[in-house]
Amino acid sequence: GAGVSQTPSNKVTEKGKYVELRCDPISGHTALYWYRQSLGQGPEFLIYFQGTGAADDSGLPNDRFFAVRPEGSVSTLKIQRTERGDSAVYLCASSLNAGGPVEQYFGPGTRLTVT
Amino acid sequence: DQQVKQNSPSLSVQEGRISILNCDYTNSMFDYFLWYKKYPAEGPTFLISISSIKDKNEDGRFTVFLNKSAKHLSLHIVPSQPGDSAVYFCAASGDDKIIFGKGTRLHILP
Repeated sequence: GAGVSQTPSNKVTEKGKYVELRCDPISGHTALYWYRQSLGQGPEFLIYFQGTGAADDSGLPNDRFFAVRPEGSVSTLKIQRTERGDSAVYLCASSLNAGGPVEQYFGPGTRLTVT
Repeated sequence: DQQVKQNSPSLSVQEGRISILNCDYTNSMFDYFLWYKKYPAEGPTFLISISSIKDKNEDGRFTVFLNKSAKHLSLHIVPSQPGDSAVYFCAASGDDKIIFGKGTRLHILP
């Protein structure tokens, strides 16, 4: 079956602009996670959804970052007033449910470059 | 403050030999530990995990060892193959979140 997909694969935007990054999880997976990976670092947790609700958004760096999952499937990560420091690969992952060994399946990521 | 540490940014191993990747953690409340493998331009792929109540888990060529008293885990790959060349992330799970280390780039030499 299809894995986690993310669009776009690359996004270049100017400082101050608004961007949306999309994640399509594996069908039937109720938990969805967003991570950010900067150069030379491991993935850093941003937010996770159980169904439609954000169960934990403690990793969002500030209020410019927001994510939604209105129907419990596709999720959109929204970044307002982008800054150069937001440049990173944004990874999405999904799992059947949260908890347990948390085997998460990752998408290929969206590389965001803020100029 | 890094809760999961991989102190070796890279490691080179001869094909056929054993690769040992190390990881240290600080939070004794983690309940699972995981290893992920990542190729360029792809997302991380789950490799193997271990519960905090176990000290060893084996899956084919991959074995993870957990030393809770030392807050240390390691991934052994034997024998190492060319396709094992990738970045390996150690991760720890708690409160439904995964905390990743910075990764170790493994090079398998012919």
